[in-house]
Amino acid sequence: DTGVSQDPRHKITKRGQNVTFRCDPISEHNRLYWYRQTLGQGPEFLTYFQNEAQLEKSRLLSDRFSAERPKGSFSTLEIQRTEQGDSAMYLCASSDTGTGLIYEQYFGPGTRLTVT
Amino acid sequence: AQSVAQPEDQVNVAEGNPLTVKCTYSVSGNPYLFWYVQYPNRGLQFLLKYITGDNLVKGSYGFEAEFNKSQTSFHLKKPSALVSDSALYFCAVRDMNYGGSQGNLIFGKGTKLSVKP
Repeated sequence: DTGVSQDPRHKITKRGQNVTFRCDPISEHNRLYWYRQTLGQGPEFLTYFQNEAQLEKSRLLSDRFSAERPKGSFSTLEIQRTEQGDSAMYLCASSDTGTGLIYEQYFGPGTRLTVT
Repeated sequence: AQSVAQPEDQVNVAEGNPLTVKCTYSVSGNPYLFWYVQYPNRGLQFLLKYITGDNLVKGSYGFEAEFNKSQTSFHLKKPSALVSDSALYFCAVRDMNYGGSQGNLIFGKGTKLSVKP
């Protein structure tokens, strides 16, 4: 396992369409995070999972966004009825866990979404 | 509110010279701080982190960072810059508002480092 992978790398869609992105974390990592990055900004947190449980969601995650991690391995992020403001790079990250320990997050290459 | 600031949009350095990329933070409680680097069309790569202990943290690719609690800063440094260090650098702090021991990160806006030959 060489790292976090994301698919697709690029997605162009028309406004109003639904899109789904996939993230495969580092295999032994229990935690999985989704972030969104727009041009000239740092990544902004969207949501994270520990195993299959979605533990936190940002206010940025409107009701058009949904994320799943059904078996505690890969995760999907779906955006329904896309809007031009959804155009961004969507980053996935994973990390290990341990009581009292602070682990760094490892990021995938991202999925660049363009809504026309 | 918790936040991270990177006051410089761009830092220009000549190859072989020392470099510093600045970061200041605002959190409640003890900060957990990170530096990441982003190359074009690639994801963020972890460089180093400060959790506790020695204020000087050493990381990947010869980078180090100095934690200064009184100045609430965590500046990234390298004694001798390489052209290949040219990239976008992000400082981040773990969000203390969320529960659990592995919260999400709050990132700065990034600093573009340009190293000229």
